[in-house]
Amino acid sequence: GIQVEQSPPDLILQEGANSTLRCNFSDSVNNLQWFHQNPWGQLINLFYIPSGTKQNGRLSATTVATERYSLLYISSSQTTDSGVYFCAPRPRGFQKLVFGTGTRLLVSP
Amino acid sequence: NAGVTQTPKFRILKIGQSMTLQCAQDMNHNYMYWYRQDPGMGLKLIYYSVGAGITDKGEVPNGYNVSRSTTEDFPLRLELAAPSQTSVYFCASRTGTGGEYTEAFFGQGTRLTVV
Repeated sequence: GIQVEQSPPDLILQEGANSTLRCNFSDSVNNLQWFHQNPWGQLINLFYIPSGTKQNGRLSATTVATERYSLLYISSSQTTDSGVYFCAPRPRGFQKLVFGTGTRLLVSP
Repeated sequence: NAGVTQTPKFRILKIGQSMTLQCAQDMNHNYMYWYRQDPGMGLKLIYYSVGAGITDKGEVPNGYNVSRSTTEDFPLRLELAAPSQTSVYFCASRTGTGGEYTEAFFGQGTRLTVV
């Protein structure tokens, strides 16, 4: 099955810093979602991004499906950005999302 | 519009007990999913359903059963609970027909401990 690798596994930032999270996947995908799991465990939809670039406030995401990767950009990070970020591509031919192991982000004041 | 609602939020079970985790969605979504998340890991698919009366296994179905008698509800049944089933369980739903894929929405999770 598809392998999903996220990097870095852990990231510590000072408030106000920018960061890029990467998601590589081993097979062709039709779609991809990014989620933020907050410290209370809730999964929050960030982006539904099968290809191209989308922006939402301080966050933006780019997926290049032909090269099998997606990037999540966080600018001017805030302490509320802390948590775990998951990418979840949908492999071609399947009706499910496959989750990576996530990037754990800690933003300190 | 409540989205995806899971009950209970927390539960402690003794080894060998059974329970049902409830999931309901009010968005008229045809696809529904159950995932589990072990500590420090991503989510793994247990079962999913493409519509009422149709279910299929995911990556880790052993020890679980599901049913889908209505569009709204997708309960997950644990028979003979084991410590290995200690996890956080997430239910998700999405719309879409055929090969179309749309954004999935997740419930708030059920934290289950088996002792």
